[in-house]
Amino acid sequence: GQNIDQPTEMTATEGAIVQINCTYQTSGFNGLFWYQQHAGEAPTFLSYNVLDGLEEKGRFSSFLSRSKGYSYLLLKELQMKDSASYLCAVEDSNYQLIWGAGTKLIIKP
Amino acid sequence: DTAVSQTPKYLVTQMGNDKSIKCEQNLGHDTMYWYKQDSKKFLKIMFSYNNKELIINETVPNRFSPKSPDKAHLNLHINSLELGDSAVYFCASSQDLGDRGPIQETQYFGPGTRLLVL
Repeated sequence: GQNIDQPTEMTATEGAIVQINCTYQTSGFNGLFWYQQHAGEAPTFLSYNVLDGLEEKGRFSSFLSRSKGYSYLLLKELQMKDSASYLCAVEDSNYQLIWGAGTKLIIKP
Repeated sequence: DTAVSQTPKYLVTQMGNDKSIKCEQNLGHDTMYWYKQDSKKFLKIMFSYNNKELIINETVPNRFSPKSPDKAHLNLHINSLELGDSAVYFCASSQDLGDRGPIQETQYFGPGTRLLVL
């Protein structure tokens, strides 16, 4: 079957760095998404990786290794507003999105 | 077992037609949602619905209407389809546990329905 795994919850300190991992097993691969979701709001698109390597976008970076079925989202200089759920999703060979259950990130002062 | 499922996976139709996309969740959740993914991969919420209230994003045209035959289903009906309606539509569900602070109660997403209007 198809499966996306990410930690259920993580805690980090304001100003620090946190890495949220995502591993996947899917029928084919056409890209991997990271979304951020605050309570009561729609998920916000953060990144899309289709090739191996690291893509940096401000304080957020996303890494992909297709051979390992692995991605991570790296958040630097954490701010309290980064407290949110982070969703990993993979687009399979049928262009369907397989979603992880999300990682709840708690930022403490 | 698929937690949130959508049918059909793909939908190609002519402008002006009326179509429906079905969504079912087997998680026993109270709240269901419909999102539209735009060309830049952003998700825009269209509706959220539980047995208490329907919340409609005011930017959604009234050609779009959610229909919930029961707690486990929230279907999206679209009248008079337009070219701009072409997108991927995602259904999601979550358990309504009240205000838990700044972090979203986990939403479980369906695989998406690709709609192409010709």
